Amino acid sequence: DAGITQSPRYKITETGRQVTLMCHQTWSHSYMFWYRQDLGHGLRLIYYSAAADITDKGEVSDGYVVSRSKTENFPLTLESATRSQTSVYFCASKGGGNTGELFFGEGSRLTVL
Amino acid sequence: KNQVEQSPQSLIILEGKNCTLQCNYTVSPFSNLRWYKQDTGRGPVSLTIMTFSENTKSNGRYTATLDADTKQSSLHITASQLSDSASYICVVSDYKLSFGAGTTVTVRA
Repeated sequence: DAGITQSPRYKITETGRQVTLMCHQTWSHSYMFWYRQDLGHGLRLIYYSAAADITDKGEVSDGYVVSRSKTENFPLTLESATRSQTSVYFCASKGGGNTGELFFGEGSRLTVL
Repeated sequence: KNQVEQSPQSLIILEGKNCTLQCNYTVSPFSNLRWYKQDTGRGPVSLTIMTFSENTKSNGRYTATLDADTKQSSLHITASQLSDSASYICVVSDYKLSFGAGTTVTVRA
């Protein structure tokens, strides 16, 4: 199906565990993003990627790792999960140009116990 | 520092009534401003996107306005419906996207 999909939608893990959130888009968009959304905060950028093999940190990147070996996939890994990383994570992709449409996935709700 | 401020934080309106949401920003230089609708438990969905030269844009019952001189935007919802209950997020772009915290709208029958 066309679009942007995230998995898993819900995940419960324990402190110190490694967790990977998957993101897949079918439009061949160059830009992909990971955001986290917490109550009282706007969406905050974790990492973004301008193309395959090109990634860069956002404003809240500590504790997260990304990779982008293929244009369509942009996984986000929490190497050692902490309770402060309990959040809803959104992946997004964007077409070229400043006014390119930004499409969001449905989100992955992560709880770290 | 938050460069995009939205108000009010939340509001409740009766079905059929109109409402207006505000977005003030300090992002500079300015490229474009976007409004998104986010239903509970879902990802944000684009409503409008406006560039510097546009001062109004409509999408059905949603009308966004932009005053680039005062760095203000508003989103007007006409004849609200129960399905308009959602969070509305203002996003301002220079070379990156800056998100407001959103306004939560609740429409009651």
